[in-house]
Amino acid sequence: NVVLTQPHSVSEAPGKTVTISCTRSSGSGVSNYVQWYKQRPASAPTLVIYDDYKRASGVPDRISGSFDISSTSASLTISGLRTEDEADYYCQSYDGSNWVFGGGTKLTVL
Amino acid sequence: DVQLVESGGGLVQPGRSLRLSCAASGFTFDDFTMHWVRQAPGKGLEWVSGITSTGGVRGYADSVKGRFTISRDNTKNSLFLQMNSLGPEDTAFYYCAKERLGHIDYWGQGALVTVSS
Repeated sequence: NVVLTQPHSVSEAPGKTVTISCTRSSGSGVSNYVQWYKQRPASAPTLVIYDDYKRASGVPDRISGSFDISSTSASLTISGLRTEDEADYYCQSYDGSNWVFGGGTKLTVL
Repeated sequence: DVQLVESGGGLVQPGRSLRLSCAASGFTFDDFTMHWVRQAPGKGLEWVSGITSTGGVRGYADSVKGRFTISRDNTKNSLFLQMNSLGPEDTAFYYCAKERLGHIDYWGQGALVTVSS
């Protein structure tokens, strides 16, 4: 089974840059694309990045996604950090026809 | 605007059943694969189940396989999740979600299911 591993938490000061990783374990997959979702407290998640690097509607270009084939790791990078970026971030991919979420990363903007 | 509204959550005793519903509007429901995703209080997201646009293909997480059944009624723009043999580990917010080309582009607000005696 595919497992997506994320750091439990990251923190950085406003205006700085932070990167959240999502490492995929071995496993099969029709598609290896990775998505990223943002979740604020007491709210439903919202899409941030899809297909590894494509921004969802309304997402600013200071937020970007990437995938490193050699390490089978995806990354979400947020530059020019703002207080509104503080949230939980989840990566998502596939295990065959099933979907898999990472454990989530709590981003704190100090 | 796309709207996904879950209903049917509540408190249920261990071993009992519950059926969640999701009313969809603002898009052509029978064009899209739909999913249920859950989140235990204070925990992360867990994919539960998905169903293709016609209902012909359904998938389940190992944790619910054999106990939960996903279905849809395209004539009523509705998605369902029949949950049997519920246990405390099934306590969670259950989100109805619309898929677009491999990602979720819309989420409902969630329905809380609490399994407790």
